[in-house]
Amino acid sequence: NAGVTQTPKFRVLKTGQSMTLLCAQDMNHEYMYWYRQDPGMGLRLIHYSVGEGTTAKGEVPDGYNVSRLKKQNFLLGLESAAPSQTSVYFCASSLAGTSGELFFGEGSRLTVL
Amino acid sequence: KQEVTQIPAALSVPEGENLVLNCSFTDSAIYNLQWFRQDPGKGLTSLLLIQSSQREQTSGRLNASLDKSSGRSTLYIAASQPGDSATYLCAAPDTGRRALTFGSGTRLQVQP
Repeated sequence: NAGVTQTPKFRVLKTGQSMTLLCAQDMNHEYMYWYRQDPGMGLRLIHYSVGEGTTAKGEVPDGYNVSRLKKQNFLLGLESAAPSQTSVYFCASSLAGTSGELFFGEGSRLTVL
Repeated sequence: KQEVTQIPAALSVPEGENLVLNCSFTDSAIYNLQWFRQDPGKGLTSLLLIQSSQREQTSGRLNASLDKSSGRSTLYIAASQPGDSATYLCAAPDTGRRALTFGSGTRLQVQP
């Protein structure tokens, strides 16, 4: 029972490089989220999706893009990485949005040099 | 805009002690609140989801309460154990109900 799986778990990038984080869930959840967690700032919402083919901006969307082509997958892209994007990224999913329990992946630690 | 605050940021207690973690939120038009646990280097695990109609929710040694009128929730941990050492975060639906807004967490250390 995998739940929410994030890949890769660790990545080091140079400023200006691009990369994609993959989130996969096997619970048939409609709602998926990308958060970033930074010391002293808690978790902040980057983008979210309320169903296949939909995406929406969260609190800190600048510098990131997302896609939800398949219901089970939610991709987070960094077009031109900046040191300010050094963070731990968490994907989460829920069957019923904010009405239901939220399930998290193990996180992806990204360092931008 | 929903804002969630957790005080204290860190707490250290001896094993066996009962303790209370506090969470406050600014937008009281919520229908639920969740408490999560995060171990170092790991993701968040949902502990309790308390509906606004329930006022309290229990799971084992954990008990969460919710008071919308005062904008507060508490997580009570009975007979704490070293295995309870972790960061505990609370989260409430943001204004607009798009997603959850998280507090910064309380880092708990239970000393053997």
